[in-house]
Amino acid sequence: LAKTTQPISMDSYEGQEVNITCSHNNIATNDYITWYQQFPSQGPRFIIQGYKTKVTNEVASLFIPADRKSSTLSLPRVSLSDTAVYYCLVGGGRETGGGNKLTFGTGTQLKVEL
Amino acid sequence: DTGVTQSPTHLIKTRGQQVTLRCSPISGHKSVSWYQQVLGQGPQFIFQYYEKEERGRGNFPDRFSARQFPNYSSELNVNALLLGDSALYLCASGGAPTDTQYFGPGTRLTVL
Repeated sequence: LAKTTQPISMDSYEGQEVNITCSHNNIATNDYITWYQQFPSQGPRFIIQGYKTKVTNEVASLFIPADRKSSTLSLPRVSLSDTAVYYCLVGGGRETGGGNKLTFGTGTQLKVEL
Repeated sequence: DTGVTQSPTHLIKTRGQQVTLRCSPISGHKSVSWYQQVLGQGPQFIFQYYEKEERGRGNFPDRFSARQFPNYSSELNVNALLLGDSALYLCASGGAPTDTQYFGPGTRLTVL
């Protein structure tokens, strides 16, 4: 499974845009890129998933360059409630025929201040 | 829409005891996975079940076992509990094994 590298922590202020970049140099052709958000003592919450180019939903955007060796999660106008750990994962290719073992790293601790 | 549910919310056991954790997937989902999250770390994969069959197993000892029922709910059993088994146990469900997984709130297990 592809290994991911992301910053351990980031600080921001309310109203700012936050971009968290994840490196995944060994991503496989079939792999998708998925981001989760986790608050203390809660289960990870799915944010967004993509395969290439750009994906946008009501809470975030995901930018994936052509080589797919990295991806950037963009959170527009963050608020205090966005303070959480953000995980970048790769895998889950639909053509593998096998299961989907999600491999979590240590994630990025985002702290949003007033 | 009901999300993934897990029971109990919290559990305290002593070393050597056995514990059973339960998970109900999102309605219509047939895949259930279990993860262990120790404080300060990301979740670690334990098992995945699909259509009542084991589809994947993580690097955990045989003290850990699981099963999936005809209604797609699942149980995780841990025997001979150790202090190091204290963790948040997470269940995730998906439509198929490689579909996006949605997590439940977790069960906090404390082993004394």
